[in-house]
Amino acid sequence: AQSVTQLGSHVSVSEGALVLLRCNYSSSVPPYLFWYVQYPNQGLQLLLKYTSAATLVKGINGFEAEFKKSETSFHLTKPSAHMSDAAEYFCAVSDYSSASKIIFGSGTRLSIRP
Amino acid sequence: NAGVTQTPKFRILKIGQSMTLQCTQDMNHNYMYWYRQDPGMGLKLIYYSVGAGITDKGEVPNGYNVSRSTTEDFPLRLELAAPSQTSVYFCASTQTGGSYEQYFGPGTRLTVT
Repeated sequence: AQSVTQLGSHVSVSEGALVLLRCNYSSSVPPYLFWYVQYPNQGLQLLLKYTSAATLVKGINGFEAEFKKSETSFHLTKPSAHMSDAAEYFCAVSDYSSASKIIFGSGTRLSIRP
Repeated sequence: NAGVTQTPKFRILKIGQSMTLQCTQDMNHNYMYWYRQDPGMGLKLIYYSVGAGITDKGEVPNGYNVSRSTTEDFPLRLELAAPSQTSVYFCASTQTGGSYEQYFGPGTRLTVT
């Protein structure tokens, strides 16, 4: 069975600092991996996805993530945080062998200090 | 394109009442999903549909029913509402053979008291 673990339910960084949100996955088959962002009172929006092409994936708003098979990780990073990055971030995994279903992590709330 | 739309945005139900959460997508996606999001938790899959007339249970289906009579619409029915169903409900859709991205609606915040 697939699963996703996000380390840290809340991360706080200063504006301009590096953002690092951690995600580890478990999958018995090559996975597809996603990061979604949820701004307050909104639905989820795709930030980026890994679908077995390049291991370093670039997404919107300056975010990127690196797929590391040996570490079963897909951490999300951004070199310099902006106030507008404050949101909830979800890592998700799917093998698309079963009706395109996605398993979501429990989320990490990112706060930005001025 | 409106994408995925959900109505209502907010609703308060009394215990034992019933209601239907509406979801419509205009992207001609074949797959549609209903999730619930509880505070501090990720999304849990309630039901999904792989096409008109075909639905299946997800991780937490108890207390809910769905139907899919058209490609566009995927309503979620709550029968005999219970406080445990207080949550935010999201509808999503995707097209198989595409980018595998799920597109989400804005959500319905439901409180059962």
